[in-house]
Amino acid sequence: QKEVEQNSGPLSVPEGAIASLNCTYSDRVSQSFFWYRQYSGKSPELIMSIYSNGDKEDGRFTAQLNKASQYVSLLIRDSQPSDSATYLCAVKPNAGNNRKLIWGLGTSLAVNP
Amino acid sequence: EPEVTQTPSHQVTQMGQEVILRCVPISNHLYFYWYRQILGQKVEFLVSFYNNEISEKSEIFDDQFSVERPDGSNFTLKIRSTKLEDSAMYFCASSERTDEAFFGQGTRLTVV
Repeated sequence: QKEVEQNSGPLSVPEGAIASLNCTYSDRVSQSFFWYRQYSGKSPELIMSIYSNGDKEDGRFTAQLNKASQYVSLLIRDSQPSDSATYLCAVKPNAGNNRKLIWGLGTSLAVNP
Repeated sequence: EPEVTQTPSHQVTQMGQEVILRCVPISNHLYFYWYRQILGQKVEFLVSFYNNEISEKSEIFDDQFSVERPDGSNFTLKIRSTKLEDSAMYFCASSERTDEAFFGQGTRLTVV
């Protein structure tokens, strides 16, 4: 059974701090990794994708991937109250044309003003 | 900015009834998906669709479920005989050649 695990939180950080969100996955051949943000009652919104080991930065967001440790993380710098949401880690477990995503339960982030 | 649109936003149906959930994917996208999320649970893959056929489906996607792309823009999910446990948010998503999937706002299905 291919699994994606996240700490459900809640993770609480003060405004302006760095929020660090973590995700582990079980399938070693996983190829693509995504972070989605989901506000309560809304749909997942793609914020970052990462495919290679190392860091990928986009504005205040940095995704980090370590395939040897089967670990992917998301850092949010200068956290804002509007960043308060559930962050979902999603993994594409197969190479090729199968494109389904396996999802973690999500980490709830609260940014306190 | 192009987006995936879904209708209706909320559907209430009686157990045993058929429902059709509708989606208009982003126009130049090639891959289409249905996912669902039961309240408080993980997002679950149902089915992916490419080149006018199902490319992959999950164990959830049994004979009660079907998908269609009846014209060049719409993508539908049909549930033939709804059960109480089908109550969930249903999300349509689409992607180009990359793996990045963009989601619609969802349809909340309530089976009573």
